[in-house]
Amino acid sequence: KAGVTQTPRYLIKTRGQQVTLSCSPISGHRSVSWYQQTPGQGLQFLFEYFSETQRNKGNFPGRFSGRQFSNSRSEMNVSTLELGDSALYLCASTWKGDEKLFFGSGTQLSVL
Amino acid sequence: GNSVTQMEGPVTLSEEAFLTINCTYTATGYPSLFWYVQYPGEGLQLLLKATKADDKGSNKGFEATYRKETTSFHLEKGSVQVSDSAVYFCALRIDRGSTLGRLYFGRGTQLTVWP
Repeated sequence: KAGVTQTPRYLIKTRGQQVTLSCSPISGHRSVSWYQQTPGQGLQFLFEYFSETQRNKGNFPGRFSGRQFSNSRSEMNVSTLELGDSALYLCASTWKGDEKLFFGSGTQLSVL
Repeated sequence: GNSVTQMEGPVTLSEEAFLTINCTYTATGYPSLFWYVQYPGEGLQLLLKATKADDKGSNKGFEATYRKETTSFHLEKGSVQVSDSAVYFCALRIDRGSTLGRLYFGRGTQLTVWP
């Protein structure tokens, strides 16, 4: 069974640009959540989707957005990139009602 | 609010040494507690979990007991191996039902085991 797949693995952008990250959950998983990991702030929750609906959102500015498609694949978008957005972005999926999250390897975003 | 505090690293041990990584939590409800491990260049993997007070989670020789009275979930292993070198995260989860995936993480503890 394939795991959670995140693409691309690495991204380099400049300030002011926008970026879209993709996450394909494990087959059958309908819940997808996103986390930002930085050395300074650790792991912080961005948002969570279930059946194409955002169910929960962390404390991030509106520049961070996401969506989920009918096949449960999810994308997150960051507009007007700032240097502080440099981070590892992790996606996780789970089966509804299950407490075990399966994480992808992440997308390492560098903003120059 | 909800938060997790775990001991600062890095922790450096010799192979076969005893490991303890402390974790305490603050929660608004009755949380489930988790330990996740992150190997270099990879995402997080669930190591063990406990869903109610006095439960003991265990996996691969690691153990942690959910202590409600001390709001703690310390990770232990009796004899570490070089392959255990990784970053360990303690986490809690309050919400069930509509909020399925939100975890509150500690800052992580880097463990290095020398042969």
